[in-house]
Amino acid sequence: QKEVEQNSGPLSVPEGAIASLNCTYSDRGSQSFFWYRQYSGKSPELIMSIYSNGDKEDGRFTAQLNKASQYVSLLIRDSQPSDSATYLCAVNRDGTGFQKLVFGTGTRLLVSP
Amino acid sequence: DVKVTQSSRYLVKRTGEKVFLECVQDMDHENMFWYRQDPGLGLRLIYFSYDVKMKEKGDIPEGYSVSREKKERFSLILESASTNQTSMYLCASSPSPDRGYQPQHFGDGTRLSIL
Repeated sequence: QKEVEQNSGPLSVPEGAIASLNCTYSDRGSQSFFWYRQYSGKSPELIMSIYSNGDKEDGRFTAQLNKASQYVSLLIRDSQPSDSATYLCAVNRDGTGFQKLVFGTGTRLLVSP
Repeated sequence: DVKVTQSSRYLVKRTGEKVFLECVQDMDHENMFWYRQDPGLGLRLIYFSYDVKMKEKGDIPEGYSVSREKKERFSLILESASTNQTSMYLCASSPSPDRGYQPQHFGDGTRLSIL
């Protein structure tokens, strides 16, 4: 079992729709969770962080965390073509005081005009 | 804003060469990381450093070494470059865990080709 799993996609949504990206992780002790956006040929850019169960909203983005189910998701409302990118889920490794992260392989999102 | 700067965006080297990739951050972060990113494999941690002159192996350290002589600079060294080290290399930094859970911030990456 991979430490962090994401569906590779592509996930295709029309402009204006809600895009839902999912991630599961295996380490029950993980405490911090991050979503990064990566455009083709570019480096990952942080878009959301979440540390507690529940929802966290920032503009059009909502991160959802369920530690009991070891599940974290990212919702993008009113999707725009500029949201087309690969979204990486990252989870800290339990017991590492240095905050090493484990990354999923990413979900490719395509937003069509 | 956090600024992580990698010395080269693109680099072409020959097999057997010793290759240096440089990374500098301007936020006084304690932690620095080197990853490589390959299609289908995602980001894999090569080495990280949590303080000056301190380093720890990541998941794929073989064929690499690192140096951190100053807090702001973290270098990745390919001792004898091989074609299987052709990849995108990403440097990242983050504050000490003493400041709470913090994300890592990435540089622009170096696309390295070994011929």
